Amino acid sequence: EAGVTQFPSHSVIEKGQTVTLRCDPISGHDNLYWYRRVMGKEIKFLLHFVKESKQDESGMPNNRFLAERTGGTYSTLKVQPAELEDSGVYFCASSHFSGSSKETQYFGPGTRLLVL
Amino acid sequence: AQKVTQAQTEISVVEKEDVTLDCVYETRDTTYYLFWYKQPPSGELVFLIRRNSFDEQNEISGRYSWNFQKSTSSFNFTITASQVVDSAVYFCALSAFMEYGNKLVFGAGTILRVKS
Repeated sequence: EAGVTQFPSHSVIEKGQTVTLRCDPISGHDNLYWYRRVMGKEIKFLLHFVKESKQDESGMPNNRFLAERTGGTYSTLKVQPAELEDSGVYFCASSHFSGSSKETQYFGPGTRLLVL
Repeated sequence: AQKVTQAQTEISVVEKEDVTLDCVYETRDTTYYLFWYKQPPSGELVFLIRRNSFDEQNEISGRYSWNFQKSTSSFNFTITASQVVDSAVYFCALSAFMEYGNKLVFGAGTILRVKS
């Protein structure tokens, strides 16, 4: 079974440009999460999809970030326009849906974003 | 306030030494789950273990063991006879549905360096 995949693995852009990150969850996983780790700090939650619906987007830093999951399969996270402080590693995770927090979240390899 | 504390920022050991990584958590939930993830140099987050709040039995998996103590809100991870391949960043995480929803709350991570 394929794991969570993310594309691209690395992205270097200039301040003010747009970047779109993609995540393909494990097949059959309804839950999809985005997290971010900035400058060696703790990994922080951004948002949570259940199928195509946003269940929790309390961690999204501001309106420059837009996440979508059309059709309930893969998800994209767009940063527009990118700022220097957006640099970090963006992780995607997926899990089965159970209506509780017991399900293990399986993570992708992350996308390393550097904004210059 | 930090909900998951990994007080050890970095630990260096020599191969074959035992090493314990500390994790202290905080939650008001009575039902919650604790996780450990490993991030090797390749960057992906690898799931190691999930423990629910009602199961305080210690768990052993090969050279890995986990000590869960509710009385001290700790979930420590011990590697016995460490190997160079154990070098990685280790994250402890908490999932507490009533307090945080489905998201994982991570500690800042502990960098483990195992020298040959």
